[in-house]
Amino acid sequence: QLQLQESGPGLVKPSGTLSLTCTVSGGSISSSSYYWGWIRQPPGKGLQWIGTFYYTGSTYYNPSLQNRVTISVDTSRNQFSLKLSSVTAADTAVYYCARHPSYSSSSFDYWGQGTLVTVSS
Amino acid sequence: QSALTQPASVSGSPGQSITISCTGTSSDVGSYNLVSWYQQHPGKAPKLMIYEVTKRPSGVSNRFSGSKSGNTASLTISGLQAEDEADYYCCSNAGTTTWVFGGGTKLAVL
Repeated sequence: QLQLQESGPGLVKPSGTLSLTCTVSGGSISSSSYYWGWIRQPPGKGLQWIGTFYYTGSTYYNPSLQNRVTISVDTSRNQFSLKLSSVTAADTAVYYCARHPSYSSSSFDYWGQGTLVTVSS
Repeated sequence: QSALTQPASVSGSPGQSITISCTGTSSDVGSYNLVSWYQQHPGKAPKLMIYEVTKRPSGVSNRFSGSKSGNTASLTISGLQAEDEADYYCCSNAGTTTWVFGGGTKLAVL
């Protein structure tokens, strides 16, 4: 059974960099069949796609965040990571990692449990 | 890339049917048969309920169905049950490698 687990600091200072890691078990992030993405949800608000990577090394970012976002991969650990720079209180959210098939790419079929990141001094 | 438009809330009584709309543009919903729908209970991760406009993942009740016309997709839940009370989100490709979610709809089962 595929499982995804987010990890990282729950508190980040304004203007700092948010860093999270998603560890995948029960499946390989190097599979050609899947994309691996990050989605966030501010408290009481809706979902926002942040970015996605594909095993070829290609990364795709939300245009509204692309100048602050970097997604990287560690295939040896079956992990992928998110970095969001110059954070403000507006970046406070639950951050999810998720898998979506390359053949049906809007279908985020497996999700992590999510991790709350608060931006505050 | 603007969020897809969903009604903030809908409600229905047990046993009734409800429909949630998801309106986009010709650049997202209208261009791709790749609309998906998610159910989210409080404090939980979203769950995929419908993909590719009309398809149901294994294990999802056939009370859930999807459709699309032009730039608007719809999720219909028939035979409403108390456990259906949740937030629902649509999602669409907004390009071959960009994705956009709807603002979400809170379903109340009265």
